[in-house]
Amino acid sequence: NAGVMQNPRHLVRRRGQEARLRCSPMKGHSHVYWYRQLPEEGLKFMVYLQKENIIDESGMPKERFSAEFPKEGPSILRIQQVVRGDSAAYFCASSPAWIWDRENTEAFFGQGTRLTVV
Amino acid sequence: DAKTTQPPSMDCAEGRAANLPCNHSTISGNEYVYWYRQIHSQGPQYIIHGLKNNETNEMASLIITEDRKSSTLILPHATLRDTAVYYCIVTVGQNFVFGPGTRLSVLP
Repeated sequence: NAGVMQNPRHLVRRRGQEARLRCSPMKGHSHVYWYRQLPEEGLKFMVYLQKENIIDESGMPKERFSAEFPKEGPSILRIQQVVRGDSAAYFCASSPAWIWDRENTEAFFGQGTRLTVV
Repeated sequence: DAKTTQPPSMDCAEGRAANLPCNHSTISGNEYVYWYRQIHSQGPQYIIHGLKNNETNEMASLIITEDRKSSTLILPHATLRDTAVYYCIVTVGQNFVFGPGTRLSVLP
């Protein structure tokens, strides 16, 4: 059973380009969470999705950022017109159910995508 | 904002127990306490979680006070590979929020 797979592991984009980050959850997991980590800082929640639904996007910037988790395929975090400040590590996590108040549920994280905007 | 507070850093001698404290005074009755760690720049790794009883697994033990306002993660025999940032997490609404964590340095 493969873990959470994120690709690419490293992504370089010029200012103004689009960045697409992919996250394949663990088999059987239908809940996906995206986090951003700036250099030397902690992880910041961005968005929580279930299959085909955005449940909580309170941590997403209002402009240029979007996320989806289609019925088939990986979850995608899309950043349009990237700027230098978007340079960060982006982590996704998956769980089989809504986590954090269920006795036997935890979230598993991928190894992240490191986005560098030049 | 995170619902937990942790010391920013701690040192521990290799082979000794590492005791990492966490305060979560506003925790509600059905919220679990989770611990994750992040080694260097890797993805966070799940360690343990609990509600009110003490928990133990192959990695660590979790001691939760009776009033549930604080907890302690115990690594019984710390090794150099346990050097990492340790995060104590309690849910905030429908999601969870990572605080700055405790940077544990295991010293030879």
